[in-house]
Amino acid sequence: SQTIHQWPATLVQPVGSPLSLECTVEGTSNPNLYWYRQAAGRGLQLLFYSVGIGQISSEVPQNLSASRPQDRQFILSSKKLLLSDSGFYLCAWRRDGDYGYTFGSGTRLTVV
Amino acid sequence: AQSVTQLDSQVPVFEEAPVELRCNYSSSVSVYLFWYVQYPNQGLQLLLKYLSGSTLVKGINGFEAEFNKSQTSFHLRKPSVHISDTAEYFCAVKDNFNKFYFGSGTKLNVKP
Repeated sequence: SQTIHQWPATLVQPVGSPLSLECTVEGTSNPNLYWYRQAAGRGLQLLFYSVGIGQISSEVPQNLSASRPQDRQFILSSKKLLLSDSGFYLCAWRRDGDYGYTFGSGTRLTVV
Repeated sequence: AQSVTQLDSQVPVFEEAPVELRCNYSSSVSVYLFWYVQYPNQGLQLLLKYLSGSTLVKGINGFEAEFNKSQTSFHLRKPSVHISDTAEYFCAVKDNFNKFYFGSGTKLNVKP
């Protein structure tokens, strides 16, 4: 069966520090991978998606970036965090032709 | 682009009472509809989905939703809620371009 792992679960980082959140999927190959952010009291905002290794599409301009160094690994990064980067970050995967997502357990990021 | 509206940001309800969480989307062009549930500090879990066929869709945990094309709605219902149903619920729409749009969420608070 397929599983998705996301870590860390919580993170407190100072403004200006770097960020690296990791997401891996097991039990499938060539998944479509997604990073969403959920800010307090708001819905989900799609940040990045990837349909293959090295292929990243950005949905919104920001100081975050994403990379996909391996087929089942998706990394969300920042060189310098802003206070506004605080939120709940969710990784998700979907197979081509599938109609729904499977979400990871999320990372709560607090920038102080 | 689609937009998904969840009119109620919070719904308080007593245990064993019925509940309806409302969802409207912007276009009646062929779409696929979903409801997700998010328990505190967790990722999103698929409750149910409408792809085609019967407009009444049954999901997990006793929830069901009805697709109404003329009203572009996909309201979620449960005849008798439990304390354990306390969570945030998200409606989502997938369009023909494989893009997903999420509503802003409805927090269901079940009181004893």
